[in-house]
Formats: sequence, C-alpha cells, structure tokens
Amino acid sequence: IAGITQAPTSQILAAGRRMTLRCTQDMRHNAMYWYRQDLGLGLRLIHYSNTAGTTGKGEVPDGYSVSRANTDDFPLTLASAVPSQTSVYFCASSVAGGSWNEQFFGPGTRLTVL
Amino acid sequence: DQQVKQNSPSLSVQEGRISILNCDYTNSMFDYFLWYKKYPAEGPTFLISISSIKDKNEDGRFTVFLNKSAKHLSLHIVPSQPGDSAVYFCAAIRSGSARQLTFGSGTQLTVLP
Repeated sequence: IAGITQAPTSQILAAGRRMTLRCTQDMRHNAMYWYRQDLGLGLRLIHYSNTAGTTGKGEVPDGYSVSRANTDDFPLTLASAVPSQTSVYFCASSVAGGSWNEQFFGPGTRLTVL
Repeated sequence: DQQVKQNSPSLSVQEGRISILNCDYTNSMFDYFLWYKKYPAEGPTFLISISSIKDKNEDGRFTVFLNKSAKHLSLHIVPSQPGDSAVYFCAAIRSGSARQLTFGSGTQLTVLP
C-alpha cells in the first residue's frame, strides 16, 4: 500500500509556465488537501476537497486551481507560475466526517519558479 | 496574522532529558489541537492530539498539555531520543471549518546523543 504519492518530487519552472502537481491516494479517503510549506510560516492550506466532485478554497488559494474528478486523484494546477509560488507542496488526505480525522501527508513536491 | 504560533524555531536537548515544545493560539474557536512531526524530505506525520475539553493527553513518551485560559499548549517528550530529532508542528482545528488545519511555523528539535 503506497498511501499518498506525489509527482514530481521536484521541479524547476520558468515564470509564466503552467504546471500541474499530481497527487494520488489509495486509502479511499473522501477528503483531500493541498498545502504549501514556507520557512517561518509552517503549512498553509491552498485548496481542499471533502468528496469527489467538490472543492473549496483554503487560506492561500490565489494562483492555484484544483479538480477532484474521482476519489483517488487531486491535482493542483498553477496556470501561470510566479516566483512567489516557490515552495514545498504537500498533498494530504483524510477520512471525512466526525470532529476531526488524522490527515495523512504525501512526501511533498519541491517547486522552484525562476 | 498567525492564529497558531510557535515562537521557538529551534530547541536542543540532551538524550534522556525532557523536551518541551510550546505553542500559542489566538482563536478561541479552536476545539482540537494536534502535533505533527516532520523528518527532512518526508511529509508530516500525526503524533498526538487533544480536545479542547481536556487538559492533558498522554501517549507513551509523548504528553500534550492544554491551558485554555492562556491559549497555550505544550508537547512533552520524556525521555528524548536522537530519533525524535525532527520539526514539530502544532496545528489546530476550528469547529465548523470543514476540518481545516491551521499550522504553526514549526520547531526544529535536535536531541543530542
């Protein structure tokens, strides 16, 4: 069982280019999340999805879009990358429902926008 | 404005001693608090949680204390081991927030052998 996989592991991207970060989970979790981690700021939620077919905005959604066509996949797209989007991106998933549920994180994608 | 704050970016402790990591929050609507541990080049992993209706939760060497009046929580690790060296993130969930986690900035713990 792989849990959550993210691709690519790292990427260097020219500003203005489009980029999609991939996230796949095999735990049949309903909820999925995208975070970015920046030094001194911790992890900040970009977008989330409570179930397939629905998405919501987190704390820092501008410049990013997501889709949730099925339970397993939750890609994050940067339509036109800017240097401020240089960060480490983590995808996570959890069971939905209840007061809270443990979020399981992928290994991350290190993105550099030049 | 950060709602969850970890004011110590780093902490060094001798093996076998107690490690105390601190976290402060500003939003009184938070009703669950969690600690995550992160090793380099890996995603964070859940460590321990506490509900706002409790003041202590213990799991093996890890204990989390919550002081609601002070809006403060702490993670105690006793005894500390070199394998505990990692970045520790405090996180909180606000009721009605679709279980969104608000993270602190993290504390790098180094346990010296």
